[in-house]
Amino acid sequence: KQEVTQIPAALSVPEGENLVLNCSFTDSAIYNLQWFRQDPGKGLTSLLLIQSSQREQTSGRLNASLDKSSGRSTLYIAASQPGDSATYLCAPAYNNNDMRFGAGTRLTVKP
Amino acid sequence: GAVVSQHPSRVICKSGTSVKIECRSLDFQATTMFWYRQFPKQSLMLMATSNEGSKATYEQGVEKDKFLINHASLTLSTLTVTSAHPEDSSFYICSARVPYSNQPQHFGDGTRLSIL
Repeated sequence: KQEVTQIPAALSVPEGENLVLNCSFTDSAIYNLQWFRQDPGKGLTSLLLIQSSQREQTSGRLNASLDKSSGRSTLYIAASQPGDSATYLCAPAYNNNDMRFGAGTRLTVKP
Repeated sequence: GAVVSQHPSRVICKSGTSVKIECRSLDFQATTMFWYRQFPKQSLMLMATSNEGSKATYEQGVEKDKFLINHASLTLSTLTVTSAHPEDSSFYICSARVPYSNQPQHFGDGTRLSIL
């Protein structure tokens, strides 16, 4: 069974902190892995996509790493801001169609 | 801008009503679209894969007769929740993939369905 676990489930930090969100997946035979942001009651915004052959991707203050062999990915957010408050979802894909989602990490950045 | 449009964004209706949700790809033709359901504070669960011109593929445990999927054109897939009951209340999200590419799936903004 392909399970995705995200730790922590919730995180509250003061503005300006650097933070790390963790994702682990039981089946390491992934095609790619995406990190998404979801605001309350909204759809998904894709943040970063890492192909299975890549080790990391960066976009602005966000950096995602991938260790395929150990079934882990991390999302690093630098200099967090209140506008970063949202739920962050990790989603490995087992072919280009079959995505599995974690339950997410609910982040609150306090001003 | 949005490449996948989902409509309506919110539905509130009485138990027993059938509800149709539309998912459109705006600037590409999508031979495959996906329907997900998300309960509060839970992850997205894939319900079915919608294939243009053929029957949808449903995930285990998803009732085909309850959740009717039609993908009659390359830019439109519809999900109809038939005879909806309060336990069907959830957040439904569709996605579409640009065929023959390595691009990731593009997601709609979701539909909040509340059955009274």
